Amino acid sequence: DGGITQSPKYLFRKEGQNVTLSCEQNLNHDAMYWYRQDPGQGLRLIYYSQIVNDFQKGDIAEGYSVSREKKESFPLTVTSAQKNPTAFYLCATMRGGDTEAFFGQGTRLTVV
Amino acid sequence: DAKTTQPPSMDCAEGRAANLPCNHSTISGNEYVYWYRQIHSQGPQYIIHGLKNNETNEMASLIITEDRKSSTLILPHATLRDTAVYYCIVRVGYSGNTPLVFGKGTRLSVIA
Repeated sequence: DGGITQSPKYLFRKEGQNVTLSCEQNLNHDAMYWYRQDPGQGLRLIYYSQIVNDFQKGDIAEGYSVSREKKESFPLTVTSAQKNPTAFYLCATMRGGDTEAFFGQGTRLTVV
Repeated sequence: DAKTTQPPSMDCAEGRAANLPCNHSTISGNEYVYWYRQIHSQGPQYIIHGLKNNETNEMASLIITEDRKSSTLILPHATLRDTAVYYCIVRVGYSGNTPLVFGKGTRLSVIA
C-alpha cells in the first residue's frame, strides 16, 4: 500500500525522557512536515523538510529535533526541553510543485 | 498566523446542504484557497482548492467571490460522516512545498 505510516499510534513516556516518533512514506514525495495538535486547537507546524539532509524550523520548533537522512523517513524527537509534550502529532508529505498534502494517522503522545 | 477567519462551529441537518464560509481579505494574487477536513482523531484530508473560479469535485463545491476576499465550501447533501473540523487555508500553490498553515477551523456537526 502507498501511504504514510506513523508509529506507534499511542505512546507513553515519563517526564524528562526523550522520545522519537516515526514517520515513513513510500509516496516518493519530496517534502515532509511535522505538526502538533492540542485538544480543540488547529495544527501547528513544528519542522519541515523539502529535501534530504535539509530541514527548516516551523512555528513551534523549540524542544524538538528532526533528521532527514533519507527521502522516505522524517523522525521527530521530542526532547526533555519541551515543556508540554503531551499532544497529538501528525506527519504529512507533499510532492514537489503539487498542491495536496497527505497526512498520516498520527501519534498520540502522553507524558506522565 | 493563519490568514483566514472561520466561524468556530456550525450545525447542518442531514441531507441538507452545508455552507461553510471563510474570510481571507488579505489574500494575494498568487495565493490559492484550500479546504481540508479532519474527522476526530485522524489526519486532515484534502477536499478542494481554487484560485478565482468556482470549483467542483466529487466531494464538494468551492465558491470564491469576485474580489477573492471570501469563499464558501458547499457540501451539497451532508451526511453524518461529514461531521468534522473544516479548515480553510490560503497558500501559494504550484510553487514548491510551502507548508500549510492551519487555523482553528469550523467544527461542523451534521444532525440526523
